[in-house]
Amino acid sequence: SQKIEQNSEALNIQEGKTATLTCNYTNYSPAYLQWYRQDPGRGPVFLLLIRENEKEKRKERLKVTFDTTLKQSLFHITASQPADSATYLCALELNSGYSTLTFGKGTMLLVSP
Amino acid sequence: KAGVTQTPRYLIKTRGQQVTLSCSPISGHRSVSWYQQTPGQGLQFLFEYFSETQRNKGNFPGRFSGRQFSNSRSEMNVSTLELGDSALYLCASSGTGGKEPFFGQGTRLTVV
Repeated sequence: SQKIEQNSEALNIQEGKTATLTCNYTNYSPAYLQWYRQDPGRGPVFLLLIRENEKEKRKERLKVTFDTTLKQSLFHITASQPADSATYLCALELNSGYSTLTFGKGTMLLVSP
Repeated sequence: KAGVTQTPRYLIKTRGQQVTLSCSPISGHRSVSWYQQTPGQGLQFLFEYFSETQRNKGNFPGRFSGRQFSNSRSEMNVSTLELGDSALYLCASSGTGGKEPFFGQGTRLTVV
């Protein structure tokens, strides 16, 4: 069966450290993989998109890697800040040409000062 | 540019009733997708509309339906509400040029 797995346990790190979140999937062949941030009671906010033929993407303090052989994406936040505390969701988009996403359940990140 | 607007923000309904939720996309966006978010299942895709046509549908019962109007505004309807329908309902709009969807703040539906 198809699965997207993110670590369900919260990730606690110290301010200034690098946070690394994992997204693993099985039985999918996504064309794109996206990462979102979600704060309590709010809708997800798009952060980064990486295509199946890309290995790595960066945006400011964020870095995403995509390994289609391992079926895994890693999401890094460098120099983390308490304001980065939120739930981070990965989402797969199949090459259907339509705007549909399959989401993981998310990992909560807590950055302490 | 105004963001995606969902109304109402909060709703309490009784089992067996029906409910209609509204979503106004970002101006110029023609694609609107709906998602249900619960603590147990996470975010699950309901359906997607483009130019008033449903292009894709998730694995939800027929009690869940939607439509899109010529101005791209969309509504979703849930009939014969069940306790398990309590969730945050999110809509997202996207333009034809990019892949980035913009989500609204959601409608929190509580069924009692």
